[in-house]
Amino acid sequence: DAGITQSPRHKVTETGTPVTLRCHQTENHRYMYWYRQDPGHGLRLIHYSYGVKDTDKGEVSDGYSVSRSKTEDFLLTLESATSSQTSVYFCAIRWERGGLTQYFGPGTRLTVL
Amino acid sequence: DQQVKQNSPSLSVQEGRISILNCDYTNSMFDYFLWYKKYPAEGPTFLISISSIKDKNEDGRFTVFLNKSAKHLSLHIVPSQPGDSAVYFCAASGNFGNEKLTFGTGTRLTIIP
Repeated sequence: DAGITQSPRHKVTETGTPVTLRCHQTENHRYMYWYRQDPGHGLRLIHYSYGVKDTDKGEVSDGYSVSRSKTEDFLLTLESATSSQTSVYFCAIRWERGGLTQYFGPGTRLTVL
Repeated sequence: DQQVKQNSPSLSVQEGRISILNCDYTNSMFDYFLWYKKYPAEGPTFLISISSIKDKNEDGRFTVFLNKSAKHLSLHIVPSQPGDSAVYFCAASGNFGNEKLTFGTGTRLTIIP
């Protein structure tokens, strides 16, 4: 258990509305990641963070923004949700002394109608 | 461009037999590889990893083999148990300065009792 929680766990929203997903960790890890999982695509990196206020884009960052104002929280925002952003979103952390292994949260299922 | 490929979307194996899951990669800069297991409605869980300086790593019933010349890795599960039924993702990382993971599309393993 890597001490990661995600909220909400399920959300249904309408096209054009803003949505924020939260990832919370309790063990002071420096590195945090947001992925989306879609059939036929596996897990794809959206954004990642290597410290407070330090973030960078992944391979599918269009339409998403992130913020990390404190170590324990990494927020993913869809400014104006679209149906193509219907997906399962996973947050992950990496231990600085744990090599390259990432540990995942339980996920958020987002449906955009 | 799918840099990590799992060409078998699904695999069925009799309980007690060996399960072999395969993964191919195209980027020769990848030097660290991981396998994750995912149950429905849960986040992926880390299973086993291997560095490119090794060609085999074992952990209980799970063994990962790496063939660098063929850019191929495989996960062997012996003996297979019903609880092994899940989706398995392989992932790769390289010394790109950002430690990002690139995932395959996953293989759904079903163990037949």
